[in-house]
Formats: sequence, structure tokens, C-alpha cells
Amino acid sequence: DAKTTQPPSMDCAEGRAANLPCNHSTISGNEYVYWYRQIHSQGPQYIIHGLKNNETNEMASLIITEDRKSSTLILPHATLRDTAVYYCIALSGGGADGLTFGKGTHLIIQP
Amino acid sequence: GAVVSQHPSRVICKSGTSVKIECRSLDFQATTMFWYRQFPKQSLMLMATSNEGSKATYEQGVEKDKFLINHASLTLSTLTVTSAHPEDSSFYICSARGRGISRETQYFGPGTRLLVL
Repeated sequence: DAKTTQPPSMDCAEGRAANLPCNHSTISGNEYVYWYRQIHSQGPQYIIHGLKNNETNEMASLIITEDRKSSTLILPHATLRDTAVYYCIALSGGGADGLTFGKGTHLIIQP
Repeated sequence: GAVVSQHPSRVICKSGTSVKIECRSLDFQATTMFWYRQFPKQSLMLMATSNEGSKATYEQGVEKDKFLINHASLTLSTLTVTSAHPEDSSFYICSARGRGISRETQYFGPGTRLLVL
């Protein structure tokens, strides 16, 4: 699976949009981009995933560049409960393999 | 939908004893379950993958005789830490994927915190 690179930490004001970037320049054509987050002392929570097209669900939007070398997770109206470590993971095989977690981005929502 | 539970949520045991952790998919059939562990201030590390009715596949460096995994049904997998030692103290988390939900997505349990004295 392709390596992903994320900034180690980010701050965002409560109520504003949080934009979390991820680089995956070596991603292959059959690898999906997945986003999970882990709130302190809990199991990871699935957020969203995509292959080529932008995706949106009730939690977030995922914007994937046309060359698929990077993506951005957008939390449209961040709340204090969105403070967590966010992981961007490239995964092939339709999700059959276990996930390789990097260090992620520690997003801190400021009141 | 796609709820995964774990039991117990935390356990303290004496060195040398065995501890069993259960992972259940509550509203879907988990054809594949994964076990991870997480040490303080580190990311999750995959330990093993198990498919229902098959033997688990362990990641390099994970002792299969120490970490026994059973995936006997489509809703239950167990991880038994045998002869636990203080260095096995960690946060153990399972995930599952399967039928009736998004096939490509893994859903995680809340984790089990193990402390070996």
C-alpha cells in the first residue's frame, strides 16, 4: 500500500471548516483513500473513503486531486468533539487487508 | 449500523496468567476480523487477520502461540493472550468487515486496555 504523509498537528477554531491534507504521491490505480479518526482512548472511527471522485457523507467531504497524488478531508463545521488523531490510509484490494496506520494528524479544535 | 463491540473494556491480570478478549459484530456478519494493538503514544499496529473458519494470519514479529485467535463464527472472534507479561500491557483493538455493510470498510471496536502486573 502507498505511503501517506500528513502534518503532525493542526489547530482549527470551533465552528470553522477543518481541512486536513494528505499526500499519497505513489498511490496506485486500485488503491482507495480512507480516512479514520481516533479520539483519545477509543477505537478508530471510519469517516469516509474514495477512489477517484470527491465524496461526501454526513461526517465529512473528501476531495481527491485529479492526479490522485493528494487529498483533503474537510470537516465543514468543526466542534470540540472533533478533536482527535486523523489517519489517511491508502488501501488496495477492496479493503481485504489490515490497515497500516501512520502517525496521522492531531487535530485540535479550539473553543 | 456496523457496530463492533469488545469485552472486557479493561482488564488487569497477574503475570503468567492468560486473558481472553472477545470481539463481536452486532449487526452484520464479519467475514474477516483484524486484531491490532496500540502502545502509549504510538499508532495502531496490525497483529493478525482472521477469516471465519480459517486459521489466523499473523504479522511478522507476532507470536502465534502467545496470541491465540479464534474466529469460529461470523459474529465472534477471540484473542487470548497466553502467559501474559508486563510488556504485553497495551490497548488491543479489533476491527471487522463483512456482509451487509460497505464491503471495503473496516469497523472498529472500542478497544480493550490490558494491564499485566
